[in-house]
Amino acid sequence: GDSVTQMEGPVTLSEEAFLTINCTYTATGYPSLFWYVQYPGEGLQLLLKATKADDKGSNKGFEATYRKETTSFHLEKGSVQVSDSAVYFCALTTSNTGNQFYFGTGTSLTVIP
Amino acid sequence: DTEVTQTPKHLVMGMTNKKSLKCEQHMGHRAMYWYKQKAKKPPELMFVYSYEKLSINESVPSRFSPECPNSSLLNLHLHALQPEDSALYLCASSQPDSPHQPQHFGDGTRLSIL
Repeated sequence: GDSVTQMEGPVTLSEEAFLTINCTYTATGYPSLFWYVQYPGEGLQLLLKATKADDKGSNKGFEATYRKETTSFHLEKGSVQVSDSAVYFCALTTSNTGNQFYFGTGTSLTVIP
Repeated sequence: DTEVTQTPKHLVMGMTNKKSLKCEQHMGHRAMYWYKQKAKKPPELMFVYSYEKLSINESVPSRFSPECPNSSLLNLHLHALQPEDSALYLCASSQPDSPHQPQHFGDGTRLSIL
């Protein structure tokens, strides 16, 4: 079936450090991939997306590349800020899943000054 | 600012109460969703409405009753809830039959059952 495996947290980084959160997927159809971010007390916000192989999604300094050969969609940021502290969810949907999204378990990131 | 609006933001209710959660979107989306989210966990899908018809019910107990009065509104009626139902309830919307489109989430209703 369709699923997402996400790097376990929590992750604690110093400000300006490099961030990588790993995400791999299994899909029976042709997936679209997403990263969502959830700040404390809020809902999920779309951070970036990629809809076909080799696409790179980017937003707010975050990037992720859709790698079909490794079935991965790792999230990266070159220099994190305290304001990036949040929970990050990788997600996928495919033409076979109807309107369903499959979410990873989430990775909690804390950035310390 | 989120484009999906949920009310109330917080709700405390007893196990014998009846209450409703409301969700509204004006993005023209024809698919709407209810999720339940426990702390530090991913959202769990409860219900999906597509073109105002219930298309997915993920074996949710009957004490949760969804309703989609029109293409912009989604309600979740609550009755005789249990303490384990305390959670953040998220509403989302998207274009149905468009797998490349993201779901847009509201900020949720934080529900506490006494």
